Amino acid sequence: GESVGLHLPTLSVQEGDNSIINCAYSNSASDYFIWYKQESGKGPQFIIDIRSNMDKRQGQRVTVLLNKTVKHLSLQIAATQPGDSAVYFCATGGDSSYKLIFGSGTRLLVRP
Amino acid sequence: ETGVTQTPRHLVMGMTNKKSLKCEQHLGHNAMYWYKQSAKKPLELMFVYSLEERVENNSVPSRFSPECPNSSHLFLHLHTLQPEDSALYLCASSRGTSSSYEQYFGPGTRLTVT
Repeated sequence: GESVGLHLPTLSVQEGDNSIINCAYSNSASDYFIWYKQESGKGPQFIIDIRSNMDKRQGQRVTVLLNKTVKHLSLQIAATQPGDSAVYFCATGGDSSYKLIFGSGTRLLVRP
Repeated sequence: ETGVTQTPRHLVMGMTNKKSLKCEQHLGHNAMYWYKQSAKKPLELMFVYSLEERVENNSVPSRFSPECPNSSHLFLHLHTLQPEDSALYLCASSRGTSSSYEQYFGPGTRLTVT
């Protein structure tokens, strides 16, 4: 079946450094990719998304990179701040919101 | 504030109890969702409602029964649950069921089945 996996369950970075969180997916037909952030005691929060017709998209301090050849997705956070500490997970899907496949999450720890 | 509220935030229930989880969205959205989030496992979609009609039921056991009386409210009725049903239950809403529409999540109900 389809799967979405993150490379590392935990990532520890120094405050001010850049963070890179990676995600691999199995379904080559996936054409929509999303990153979510989940802080302790809260529900997931949308960060950024990208369609398969793009390979890069930038937001505020975040960049998502998509490599369809190797079915790999990454989230880059520039100048990581303590408020970025959370669990990050990716999701892939197609046209329907209820066909999203979620990854299990990477916990980002920011060292002061 | 995401505009999606869930009550209760925490719930402990025995296997013979009947309880209900409530979700309310204040965003004027037409689609609502129930997800299950277990420790170290990916988010699992349980049910989807669009314009108060169920459009997806992901092989969820019948001990979970959803209800969507209107587009702003969603309930999850629970009865004779098992300990493995202990998890965080998340509600979400979106403008529609196209993947283009961002899903807004509530804070979740932490359920413990004893």
